[in-house]
Amino acid sequence: KNEVEQSPQNLTAQEGEFITINCSYSVGISALHWLQQHPGGGIVSLFMLSSGKKKHGRLIATINIQEKHSSLHITASHPRDSAVYICAVRSRQVDFGNEKLTFGTGTRLTIIP
Amino acid sequence: NAGVTQTPKFRVLKTGQSMTLLCAQDMNHEYMYWYRQDPGMGLRLIHYSVGEGTTAKGEVPDGYNVSRLKKQNFLLGLESAAPSQTSVYFCASRDLRETQYFGPGTRLLVL
Repeated sequence: KNEVEQSPQNLTAQEGEFITINCSYSVGISALHWLQQHPGGGIVSLFMLSSGKKKHGRLIATINIQEKHSSLHITASHPRDSAVYICAVRSRQVDFGNEKLTFGTGTRLTIIP
Repeated sequence: NAGVTQTPKFRVLKTGQSMTLLCAQDMNHEYMYWYRQDPGMGLRLIHYSVGEGTTAKGEVPDGYNVSRLKKQNFLLGLESAAPSQTSVYFCASRDLRETQYFGPGTRLLVL
């Protein structure tokens, strides 16, 4: 079992729909990241969470430490949100000088106009 | 601010050839990383550096070497390329708040 599991792997939705992408992890963590990988390949950091909830524009990220689960929500989705969304965790176990992030394989989101 | 840049963007090598991938950042970050991204797998850490003159192995370091002679540059070397090193390579740096900044990637094909 991978340390970081994302669901769904692929998601297609109509413009305007509310989107939820899930991330579950199996280890104790000190931080969780959400990243966006554009169709051209570039990767952008969206959020870093250690507890609670963060919001930036139409994006909301939540984390439940007890349940080892995080969600990324997109409100009023738009075709420009089409991308791969990647979850990554920093384990509380100090691997590689605590510099190792364990990445999920990503959720490919397609928003249809 | 260019952020994080990588050269080259794309390269084809024959088995046994060597090459160096260059990563540069202009944000004065101490921490820099080299990752590889393969189909169906998450990004994996090859090597990292916590400051000028320091380097350390990540989870998949075999076949790669790195150097960080200047704070802004982090070089990844392949001494003798193998087909298993065909991948997309990303360099990243991070700030003190742990925000990660990624380069555009280098696509490497080893024949």
